Parts: sequence; structure tokens; C-alpha cells
Amino acid sequence: EAGVAQSPRYKIIEKRQSVAFWCNPISGHATLYWYQQILGQGPKLLIQFQNNGVVDDSQLPKDRFSAERLKGVDSTLKIQPAKLEDSAVYLCASSSGVVAPNTQYFGPGTRLTVL
Amino acid sequence: GESVGLHLPTLSVQEGDNSIINCAYSNSASDYFIWYKQESGKGPQFIIDIRSNMDKRQGQRVTVLLNKTVKHLSLQIAATQPGDSAVYFCAENKGTGRRALTFGSGTRLQVQP
Repeated sequence: EAGVAQSPRYKIIEKRQSVAFWCNPISGHATLYWYQQILGQGPKLLIQFQNNGVVDDSQLPKDRFSAERLKGVDSTLKIQPAKLEDSAVYLCASSSGVVAPNTQYFGPGTRLTVL
Repeated sequence: GESVGLHLPTLSVQEGDNSIINCAYSNSASDYFIWYKQESGKGPQFIIDIRSNMDKRQGQRVTVLLNKTVKHLSLQIAATQPGDSAVYFCAENKGTGRRALTFGSGTRLQVQP
């Protein structure tokens, strides 16, 4: 079974530029998550989708971050404009449903560096 | 590659010894807990999970213990191997209806050959 795919793996941009990350979840997984992992910390949830609907985006900085999952499969996360503090690894995860057990499987992440 | 966590608590063990990694969780309403392993440059990898109606669960070389009285979770790794070297995170689901996980800050396990 293929895992969660993410691209790009690395991205370096200057502050105030925009950037987009892509995620393809495990086939058949209805729930998709985006997490932000700052160096030295555990992942922090940004947004959770159930199919193509948003379940939780309470921790998403909506003034600069946006995400979509239009067809209930792939998802993109965008930052516009980027700030220095956005430097982090952006992880995508998927799970088969909302009801427990809720084992989430993670992709390799995209490491963003904002200069 | 760049390390996942540069200032994390570190547990150093000898190869072949048993390792115990501890985690305190905050929400007594949490009903599901997971341990993840994260190697440098990779995403978290599922190790083992446990529901709040259990106090122990065993996998291959790993055991998770849950003490709800003191809100404590531990991961035991038997016969630790160099390949076990990584950062280990506990995560909890707070049972509020949304099923996203809240992660702890992580512990780095270093296995000395």
C-alpha cells in the first residue's frame, strides 16, 4: 500500500513570498490533516478535512494560510505572504475515518525555510 | 539530515537494553493515545496505540502502559537496537468530537552500540 505523498520535499523562499504544498493521502482515506512542526517541537494541527469538508481549522492562521481539498482526495496548503516564523516542516497525514481508532499515517513532510 | 529536535530530553541506552520513554498527558477526557517514532528527515511513523479502556498493550518488542490515575503514558522497547534511535512522540486524542491528535514535545532515544 502506497503511503502519504507530499511535494515538494524542500522549499526555500523569501519572506512575503507565497508557497504551496501538495499532499496525496493513502487511497481510500477520508480524513486528511495538515500539521506544522517547528524544529524541536511536536506536530501541531493546522487543519483537518473529512472528504472535501473542513472539520477543524481553529488553529490555522487564516490571514495568511489557506487549504483546500476540492475533490476529497488531494489537498494543497498555501501560505501567502510567508513570514520568518513559518519556517517549519509541514506534514500531511491521513486516516480512514473520523471515528476511533484514528491511526494517522504521515507523509515525509515539506521542509520550508523562509529567509 | 537536520535533526528533528535539537533540545529535546534525551534517553541514552546501550544496545540490547530495554528502554522506557515516558509521557504525561493533560486532558483526562482523552480516550485514545498513540506513540510515534520520527527519524531525521522523515514524518512520524506509527508504533502502537492504546484506548483509554485499556491499561496495557503489547506489540512487537514494544509495550505501551497507560495510567489514567496520574495521566501517564509510557513506551517500553525491549532489546533496543541502533535502528530504534529516533525522536519518540506521544499523542492524545482529546475525545471532543474532532479526531486530530495533540502531540507531546518528544524524547530523543540514542542507542549506543
